[in-house]
Amino acid sequence: EIVLTQSPDFQSVTPKEKVTITCRASQSIGSSLHWYQQKPDQSPKLLIKYASQSFSGVPSRFSGSGSGTDFTLTINSLEAEDAATYYCHQSSSLPQTFGQGTKVEIK
Amino acid sequence: QLQLHGSGPGLVKPSETLSLSCTVSGGSIKSPNYYWGWIRQAPGKGLEWIASIYYTGSTYYNPSVQSRITVSTDTARNRVSLNLTSVTAADTAVYYCARHQITVLEPPAPTRIDPWGQGTLVIVSS
Repeated sequence: EIVLTQSPDFQSVTPKEKVTITCRASQSIGSSLHWYQQKPDQSPKLLIKYASQSFSGVPSRFSGSGSGTDFTLTINSLEAEDAATYYCHQSSSLPQTFGQGTKVEIK
Repeated sequence: QLQLHGSGPGLVKPSETLSLSCTVSGGSIKSPNYYWGWIRQAPGKGLEWIASIYYTGSTYYNPSVQSRITVSTDTARNRVSLNLTSVTAADTAVYYCARHQITVLEPPAPTRIDPWGQGTLVIVSS
């Protein structure tokens, strides 16, 4: 099973700041890495597919990068509505797995 | 617009079977372009993928539940179902049904997940 490790677990950020969340895979997964946003009491929503491809309807301040074992989700100019937990997810091999999540709080 | 609506009992007794349904609207589960999946989230915890099914009936299960889980499709009702036997408190979670895109390679495999259903909370307790 591929283990995804996110860092940090928690981040408290001021609006308009830049947020960087990393996801490290226990073995190479190419670009089969996706990012989701989950707000309290809501279902997760896809933000970034295949490491760096923006998903339809997602604000342009969200971007992704990386390949192999190291990936990054960046939120440029954080807005209050971005308060959420963010998860990475690999679909390279079964079982599909998720990172443990990174909670982003707005100061 | 595709929507997934999960339903089922919110309370199941230990050792019994958890049964959930996911009704899909705005699209057909017979499409060859998607897998249909189940992901769960224990209270205050992260996400765990547990199963995916293709319109052909081909299934993938997480080894963590493989001996206890069955996922099936009901094409007449455009519905995907989940049965999980011999449940314990560790199976208490919000269960999400969702749609996977598929790979371009053969045989097709499930990839990213979008959209997700609203989630069904299932508590295992006597």
